[in-house]
Amino acid sequence: EPEVTQTPSHQVTQMGQEVILRCVPISNHLYFYWYRQILGQKVEFLVSFYNNEISEKSEIFDDQFSVERPDGSNFTLKIRSTKLEDSAMYFCASSERTEAFFGQGTRLTVV
Amino acid sequence: AQTVTQSQPEMSVQEAETVTLSCTYDTSENNYYLFWYKQPPSRQMILVIRQEAYKQQNATENRFSVNFQKAAKSFSLKISDSQLGDTAMYFCALIPDTNAGKSTFGDGTTLTVKP
Repeated sequence: EPEVTQTPSHQVTQMGQEVILRCVPISNHLYFYWYRQILGQKVEFLVSFYNNEISEKSEIFDDQFSVERPDGSNFTLKIRSTKLEDSAMYFCASSERTEAFFGQGTRLTVV
Repeated sequence: AQTVTQSQPEMSVQEAETVTLSCTYDTSENNYYLFWYKQPPSRQMILVIRQEAYKQQNATENRFSVNFQKAAKSFSLKISDSQLGDTAMYFCALIPDTNAGKSTFGDGTTLTVKP
């Protein structure tokens, strides 16, 4: 069964460093998303991506964040100059239209 | 604004019993989709069941079923014959048909199934 895969499963980084979280969406899906879940809190929408551009982004998705689909298969989330409060679980998801399939998540720890 | 509310932060149920998790929502969209996702301790997000708002028939997926009341904007999840593996956080989510990116999740309900 096709699935969304995310790497790495856990990333530890020092405050101020840049991190890139990687995702391989399901191959025939057209919409791609990043979500964030701070420990103990709800899942928060960050950004959606369609037709090689951002289609929607939340207020959380500021200039510190960027997304890219560099090679037609990977979908990346870059966080520049990480802060302690960026520590969270980051989920990638993809969909053909509305039913989003989630990856297993990347746990980001900023120290 | 689009909102999803889960009023039960925690619930527990005995193994083999039935439990219902509640979810209410508000949206100005005419058509939308509603989902229940399960997040076990591994923190992976797993789709449990989906409901298209234009369909009156309640969705069912094995032991999981929903009670969708469109007029009341209510979307509850019923888990029958609860199993220990059902222990997880459950999230209700809404996605409008016109904007797949504008998804909103509830705060979640932590369900514990007791042996």
